[in-house]
Amino acid sequence: QVQLQESGPGLVKPSETLSLTCTVSGGSINTYYWNWIRQPAGKGLEWIARIYDTGTINYNPSLKSRVSMSVDTSKNQFSLKLTSVTAADTAVYYCARDSTSDGYPYYFDYWGQGTLVTVSS
Amino acid sequence: DIVMTQSPDSLAVSLGERATINCRSSQSVLYSSNNKNYLAWYQQKPGQPPKLLIYWASTRESGVPDRFSGSGSGTDFTLTISSLQAEDVAVYYCLQYYGTPRTFGQGTKLEIK
Repeated sequence: QVQLQESGPGLVKPSETLSLTCTVSGGSINTYYWNWIRQPAGKGLEWIARIYDTGTINYNPSLKSRVSMSVDTSKNQFSLKLTSVTAADTAVYYCARDSTSDGYPYYFDYWGQGTLVTVSS
Repeated sequence: DIVMTQSPDSLAVSLGERATINCRSSQSVLYSSNNKNYLAWYQQKPGQPPKLLIYWASTRESGVPDRFSGSGSGTDFTLTISSLQAEDVAVYYCLQYYGTPRTFGQGTKLEIK
């Protein structure tokens, strides 16, 4: 059974960089797309970006200028960096796997439990 | 971006009754080359990540009770719970995976009447 676990600081200061890592267990990170999705308290879901094992990355245009992702296949991990954070970036951040077939990403089939990141001084 | 709009925003249904949630996309999510609708439904309970219920608009995920069904094509989709159980209280989201960025509906909160 594939499991995902987010890790990283729960508190980030305004204007600094949010950094999170997702560790995948129970399956290989290869040949799948891996995503970050966030959810402010009491609000809906926002897709941030996804990465393929080759390093191909797709971004949400609304966040593209501040987001970067990377993948470490040797550790079965992928990461998110979000720069110049503000209070509006306070949210639960989820990592999730795309159901992938023939190299194409589809729906999110496995999710991490989520980690709350608060932006505050 | 493809905008996903759900209706209603909230819904109260009696136990054992039918619950119906709608989702409309701002453009078709039907891919003509394979005749598949790139639409999924998720259930989210408090403090939990979303759980996949339905994909390809009508294919039930393994382990999901058969009281959950999905229908629709093109731009209009429906999630139906045929006989509401207490454990179905949750927020339900539709997701389009036809285009990038991936976009979700705003969510429908389902409660017991």
